[in-house]
Amino acid sequence: AQSVAQPEDQVNVAEGNPLTVKCTYSVSGNPYLFWYVQYPNRGLQFLLKYITGDNLVKGSYGFEAEFNKSQTSFHLKKPSALVSDSALYFCATGGSYIPTFGRGTSLIVHP
Amino acid sequence: EAQVTQNPRYLITVTGKKLTVTCSQNMNHEYMSWYRQDPGLGLRQIYYSMNVEVTDKGDVPEGYKVSRKEKRNFPLILESPSPNQTSLYFCASSFKANYGYTFGSGTRLTVV
Repeated sequence: AQSVAQPEDQVNVAEGNPLTVKCTYSVSGNPYLFWYVQYPNRGLQFLLKYITGDNLVKGSYGFEAEFNKSQTSFHLKKPSALVSDSALYFCATGGSYIPTFGRGTSLIVHP
Repeated sequence: EAQVTQNPRYLITVTGKKLTVTCSQNMNHEYMSWYRQDPGLGLRQIYYSMNVEVTDKGDVPEGYKVSRKEKRNFPLILESPSPNQTSLYFCASSFKANYGYTFGSGTRLTVV
């Protein structure tokens, strides 16, 4: 069975500082990994995905994610946080017709 | 504009009264799916469809039905809603399962 875990319910960061939202995965075979963002009262929006290739994946809104096979992690990062980045972030694994989402991490960026 | 459209956005209903939440996509996607989002539980898949007339159960299918008669539409049917189906529902579509989803704006359902 495949699964993802987001160990932090909430991440707080000051505007302008780098941010990291953590995700670890457990899949058999090659992982398909995704990050989505959900703003209040909105559906989820696709940010980026990893299937194969470079371990550093660049996505929308200046976000990137680092795939680490030895640590089975796929952490979301951004060099300089904005207040407008405050939202709920979901890590997900695909590769099947029943993809698995993490429980979500609430990112709060303080001015 | 490429999008997934769900209706209604908000719905309050009574236990046992059949309801349908509609979902339509304009991207010619083969793959469509329904999720429910509950606090502390993240997103859980209810049903998915790989193409017209092909549907299958997700993680939490009990109490729900779906149909896929046309490629663009994937309605979610609650034949006899119960209060434990109070949730935020999302429809999503994708070109293929590994391409990443486009989500609708959600339907907040309350069953009293």
